[in-house]
Amino acid sequence: DAKTTQPNSMESNEEEPVHLPCNHSTISGTDYIHWYRQLPSQGPEYVIHGLTSNVNNRMASLAIAEDRKSSTLILHRATLRDAAVYYCILRDVRITGGGNKLTFGTGTQLKVEL
Amino acid sequence: DSGVTQTPKHLITATGQRVTLRCSPRSGDLSVYWYQQSLDQGLQFLIQYYNGEERAKGNILERFSAQQFPDLHSELNLSSLELGDSALYFCASSVATWGISGNTIYFGEGSWLTVV
Repeated sequence: DAKTTQPNSMESNEEEPVHLPCNHSTISGTDYIHWYRQLPSQGPEYVIHGLTSNVNNRMASLAIAEDRKSSTLILHRATLRDAAVYYCILRDVRITGGGNKLTFGTGTQLKVEL
Repeated sequence: DSGVTQTPKHLITATGQRVTLRCSPRSGDLSVYWYQQSLDQGLQFLIQYYNGEERAKGNILERFSAQQFPDLHSELNLSSLELGDSALYFCASSVATWGISGNTIYFGEGSWLTVV
């Protein structure tokens, strides 16, 4: 699996936008960019994913660089509930015998303050 | 609620013992994944099953085994337990083993295992 690099931690104030960066310079053409987050004492949950174009959903937006070597997860208005570890994961979706498991890195611990 | 159910939620057992963790995937999901999360190792992929067959293997110890049954539920068996096996064990499920637009993987709330 291609490697991603994320800052260990970031801080934000409530109600402000948060931009969580991810570098993935060795991304291949068949790698989708996935973001998951893990709230304290819970299992990881899906946030968003994309391939080349920017993506929006009810939780967040994903901005993907034109060369696909980096991406940014955008939380438009952070709340205390968004305090979590955010994982940027590359996932090859070709049909392979190895399955399509998620390989988690260390992620970014997001702290949200009042 | 992700729809993935794991039991038990908490388990305390002694070294050398054997435990079984159970997972019921979301309705309709054919793939089941097991992950281990400890403080020093982060989230580690253990094994994946697809419709009853082993599909991928990660950092799973020989003392550990898993299977997926015809009704698609899965069990993770941990034997000869050591103190270092204390961790949170997550089960996850998805529709298929390969993705169209990257099918989402849904995680359960985990089973806390403490080995004393």
